[in-house]
Formats: sequence, C-alpha cells, structure tokens
Amino acid sequence: GAVVSQHPSRVICKSGTSVKIECRSLDFQATTMFWYRQFPKQSLMLMATSNEGSKATYEQGVEKDKFLINHASLTLSTLTVTSAHPEDSSFYICSASGGDYGYTFGSGTRLTVV
Amino acid sequence: GEDVEQSLFLSVREGDSSVINCTYTDSSSTYLYWYKQEPGAGLQLLTYIFSNMDMKQDQRLTVLLNKKDKHLSLRIADTQTGDSAIYFCAPEDAGNKLTFGGGTRVLVKP
Repeated sequence: GAVVSQHPSRVICKSGTSVKIECRSLDFQATTMFWYRQFPKQSLMLMATSNEGSKATYEQGVEKDKFLINHASLTLSTLTVTSAHPEDSSFYICSASGGDYGYTFGSGTRLTVV
Repeated sequence: GEDVEQSLFLSVREGDSSVINCTYTDSSSTYLYWYKQEPGAGLQLLTYIFSNMDMKQDQRLTVLLNKKDKHLSLRIADTQTGDSAIYFCAPEDAGNKLTFGGGTRVLVKP
C-alpha cells in the first residue's frame, strides 16, 4: 500500500507558458501533501505544504503566484508553474502523508523550460 | 530551522558493510527517516526510527540514533551493486515537516 503517482514524469515547455504537475495518492487518503524542488546533485527543498480544502503554506522565498498549488481532494494535489522561465527548470517531487509509512513520495517530474 | 549534514560520498566493495552518517540540530525531532534515491527517480523510504529508540534493525539495514549527540547512522550489511544510489536522512520536526540532508552518494564496486 501507500502509492503516490506523479505525472508527467518529464515535460518540456516554452518560456512563458504554464505547466501543471499532478500528484495522486492511489490507495490512501492524503491529509497533507508536500511539494519539493531538487536541483542537480542537491538535496530536496520544501516549497509548500498543502492540506485538502485549504490554501497551501509556502516556504520562505517561494513565490505563491508563480507556483500555484491546489489540493482539491484527499487524493489529488496539483502544482502549476505559471509563466515558466528557464530558471524554473528543475526536478519537482511531491509527497503525501496519511498512508501507513509516514511520507510517500512520487516519482518526480523533470521540468525543462526552453 | 533544522540543519542536517551528511558526508557527500561513500565508496564500498560489494559484500562489505556501508555506514552512512548524519547529524542534525533540532533536538525535538520525532521520527528520523532514511530515503534512497536512484537517478531520475523519486524517493524510496528505507527505514525510520522513533526518537525514543537508539537502534532499529530491518533485514540488512541497521539504524543507530545517538540523541544526545544528534547523530544518526544507517548501516547496510552485505552491500550489493543495487544499493548504489543517493541516501538522504530526513528528521521530522514537531510541525510534521521533513528536512533533508544533502545526500550521500554510495558507489558499490564489484
């Protein structure tokens, strides 16, 4: 049990466009979902925490108007990178709590903005 | 906030034991997790330890916790080539947030 599905796994978009990344808990209800960003050969940096039905809490330095997070149900959270620029290129990973094992991570999304 | 430190790199021969070390600063950390990340993939939970324990063994994995020194280690017995990956320690704070160390890249040589 405790599977988190993240899509897409890889996306390339043009500068100025928006990209949506989905994170779904498949076999449990995720009370809280987390979004992380990981630069090459670096650690995971928490971007925001979202609880179902309420506004996300963003970490210091993360632009909430740039990284829109929606957590409309107990099994789905989305991260939309708006007006993407090359510096937004990164590996984005979601995780969900509420399963048997604390925190379950998605497989990540490699975003490349050209 | 929490500060978590790990050594960058560990090279080990197949069949030997690997020990990955981690230090943290927040003494109120409740659960402390170890995750494995393979190239281009998400994080896989390996094991965890609750802060009132000093050791936990799970098959080839042994976690040692020295709460006084805020030191956590992960020992992998009989290391295999499939164990080559990046390993992250991640203490959970009282606010249920994880803080990740920088990761230790483990290379297993045949």
